[in-house]
Amino acid sequence: GDSVTQMEGPVTLSEEAFLTINCTYTATGYPSLFWYVQYPGEGLQLLLKATKADDKGSNKGFEATYRKETTSFHLEKGSVQVSDSAVYFCALTHDSWGKLQFGAGTQVVVTP
Amino acid sequence: DTAVSQTPKYLVTQMGNDKSIKCEQNLGHDTMYWYKQDSKKFLKIMFSYNNKELIINETVPNRFSPKSPDKAHLNLHINSLELGDSAVYFCASSPPQRGGGDTQYFGPGTRLTVL
Repeated sequence: GDSVTQMEGPVTLSEEAFLTINCTYTATGYPSLFWYVQYPGEGLQLLLKATKADDKGSNKGFEATYRKETTSFHLEKGSVQVSDSAVYFCALTHDSWGKLQFGAGTQVVVTP
Repeated sequence: DTAVSQTPKYLVTQMGNDKSIKCEQNLGHDTMYWYKQDSKKFLKIMFSYNNKELIINETVPNRFSPKSPDKAHLNLHINSLELGDSAVYFCASSPPQRGGGDTQYFGPGTRLTVL
């Protein structure tokens, strides 16, 4: 079956540091890939997505590129802020009804 | 203006009780979902409805029963609550899927604590 593997957290960074969260997946065919973010005490919000190989999703300074050859969708941000502290989830779907398969989530803590 | 709302936000109850969580979306979406997030933040889909019809039913105890009175509402009823049901339950909605690439919009969650 489909699966998503993310690097374990917590990841602790200083403000303005570079952030990378690794995500790899196992799936048949060509899934759509997503990064969702969960701020403390809130529901999930879509951060970015990519629906086909070599697509780059970007939003709020975050980027991720759909790499079919390495089955990866790593999340990057060049300069993090304290407000980026959250749990980040990598997810995929290729179900026609949009059933999302999530990774375990990576907590990111950014200190001033 | 809330897109996906859930009530209640917190629910504390005793083992063996029956409880319901309500979800409403005002986005005009056809598809709604219930997810469970455990204490380690792991998220797993439970159910999905499309236009009031059940389309995804994962391996969930039959004590859990979703009900969709109309396409804007998806409620979750849980019978005979157990300690292991303690979790955060999220409702989500999305437009009609075309190969699974559409965004899901999540509610704020309902934290259920079973004592």
